[in-house]
Amino acid sequence: AQKVTQAQTEISVVEKEDVTLDCVYETRDTTYYLFWYKQPPSGELVFLIRRNSFDEQNEISGRYSWNFQKSTSSFNFTITASQVVDSAVYFCALINTGTASKLTFGTGTRLQVTL
Amino acid sequence: KAGVTQTPRYLIKTRGQQVTLSCSPISGHRSVSWYQQTPGQGLQFLFEYFSETQRNKGNFPGRFSGRQFSNSRSEMNVSTLELGDSALYLCASSLEAVAKNIQYFGAGTRLSVL
Repeated sequence: AQKVTQAQTEISVVEKEDVTLDCVYETRDTTYYLFWYKQPPSGELVFLIRRNSFDEQNEISGRYSWNFQKSTSSFNFTITASQVVDSAVYFCALINTGTASKLTFGTGTRLQVTL
Repeated sequence: KAGVTQTPRYLIKTRGQQVTLSCSPISGHRSVSWYQQTPGQGLQFLFEYFSETQRNKGNFPGRFSGRQFSNSRSEMNVSTLELGDSALYLCASSLEAVAKNIQYFGAGTRLSVL
């Protein structure tokens, strides 16, 4: 069975601060995919990034960056110079290749960015 | 390209009734998955359809069912509603039913059971 843990329930920062959202996963499979989604108040889950288990290269997309470390089973997400529009709930998720489209989600981290 | 469309956006039902939710995937996507989101249980996988066949099912009672049509549109049905079925139901579509494919989500249907 697989599991995703997001220990931070809620984080509050002031605009322009950097913030890191933690994600730790458990799986017995050697091939899997990790995802991050953003859920604004409207409810729709917005895809941010996908990473496969064989690619530990970190990725940067604008103010967003992701750090994948298989040794610690972590896939952390950093927002640099946060903005009010970043306020949302962020979910980390995992799929094993054997379970096709079944995403296993963490409990989410609510990020509140204030002025 | 239009995104995933879910209808209706909001529903209010009473216990014992049944409800049908609809999901239209992104054009060209053949896999549709459904998820239930509640404050207590978080996001949980309900089932997945590909080529009109249920490929995967989560741990939900038989009151929850679904189907997929030849145009990949999907419906989800919940019979004999219970108060605990109140939730946001999210539909996601992807190109194929394989793990590497990105699932794109709709805005959801918020169901309230009174």
